[in-house]
Amino acid sequence: DAGVTQSPTHLIKTRGQQVTLRCSPKSGHDTVSWYQQALGQGPQFIFQYYEEEERQRGNFPDRFSGHQFPNYSSELNVNALLLGDSALYLCASAGAGKGPETQYFGPGTRLLVL
Amino acid sequence: GQQLNQSPQSMFIQEGEDVSMNCTSSSIFNTWLWYKQDPGEGPVLLIALYKAGELTSNGRLTAQFGITRKDSFLNISASIPSDVGIYFCAGPYNYGQNFVFGPGTRLSVLP
Repeated sequence: DAGVTQSPTHLIKTRGQQVTLRCSPKSGHDTVSWYQQALGQGPQFIFQYYEEEERQRGNFPDRFSGHQFPNYSSELNVNALLLGDSALYLCASAGAGKGPETQYFGPGTRLLVL
Repeated sequence: GQQLNQSPQSMFIQEGEDVSMNCTSSSIFNTWLWYKQDPGEGPVLLIALYKAGELTSNGRLTAQFGITRKDSFLNISASIPSDVGIYFCAGPYNYGQNFVFGPGTRLSVLP
């Protein structure tokens, strides 16, 4: 049983560019959350998707957007990249209606913005 | 917004020693979670706590839900080299749809 998978593993972009990160949830999970983890800090919640809709959003600008597909996989899009967007982007999946302890994290995509 | 603080920020211990770390919040939590993150990996859940005063163990790890519901503690007994990593506390709010993480405690175990 594959866990949460993310692609790509690493990415280098320049300021002003756009990036798309991808996540496949753990089998049987239908809720996907995205987190940004800056170096030396804890993960920060970006948003959560369920039934192809954004259910909740953290304190991130509109440059951060997402999508969830009918197969529950998800994309995170970031427009007009800034140097400060350099971070590890984590995807986590959970089953609907399950407790918070059921959330599984993927290995992350490390984004470097130059 | 809600913030979590963890102490210590980092610690260096000898293999075999016991470790204690804690997490405090400015708000009340109904659930506390402790995660460990290894380099290049996502956080992995170690222990989940659901009731004030609850004490839960997972092997050599023991965590407690503070009675004020604004803090939690994690202890590791007889540390081994694979305990190296970053330990995060986290709590859900808004009915579990959102998580807030602490800044982490970085543990180094010296042989």
